[in-house]
Amino acid sequence: DVQMTQSPSYLAASPGESVSISCKASKSINTYLAWYQEKPGKTNKLLIYSGSTLQSGTPSRFSGSGSGTDFTLTIRSLEPEDFAVYYCQQHNEYPLTFGSGTKLEIK
Amino acid sequence: EVQLVETGGGLVQPGRSLKLSCVASGFTFNNYWMSWTRQAPGKGLEWVASITNSGGSTYYPDSVKGRFTISRDNAQNTLYLQMNSLRSEDTATYYCTREQLWVMDAWGQGASVTVSS
Repeated sequence: DVQMTQSPSYLAASPGESVSISCKASKSINTYLAWYQEKPGKTNKLLIYSGSTLQSGTPSRFSGSGSGTDFTLTIRSLEPEDFAVYYCQQHNEYPLTFGSGTKLEIK
Repeated sequence: EVQLVETGGGLVQPGRSLKLSCVASGFTFNNYWMSWTRQAPGKGLEWVASITNSGGSTYYPDSVKGRFTISRDNAQNTLYLQMNSLRSEDTATYYCTREQLWVMDAWGQGASVTVSS
């Protein structure tokens, strides 16, 4: 199985700042990496797939990069609604596997 | 608007069975693969099962293979998860998810399953 290691597990930032979250795969997953956002009281939201493709409706301040084993989610100019938990997921092979999550909190 | 509504969660004893249902609306159900993903309390997400749009093929991780069965009724726009031989480690919130290219592009609110004596 492909192990997904996400870091940091916790991140504090202020609105307007930029942040980056890392996701590393235990073996190459080409560019098949998705990012999700989890917020209380809302259904989980797909943000990015195939490493860098924004899902319809995802604001342009979100971007994804990487290939092979190393990937990054970057959020530029944080908005109040961006404070949430973020998960990565490899979609290169079964079993599909997720990272352990990054909680982004307001500083 | 895409909606996925799970039902059937609850408290069940170890070794017993439970069946979850998910009613889909807002899209053409039989055009999409569907899946279940779960989240144990305080833990991350774990993929549980996937089924092709026709229902002809299913996929599972080793952790549930042989115990869980995913199925669908395209006439009723409904997805199911039959869970047998439940264990305490199956305690989680179970999410119905729409799947495209092995990515979950729509999620339900979740159904809580607690396995305990």
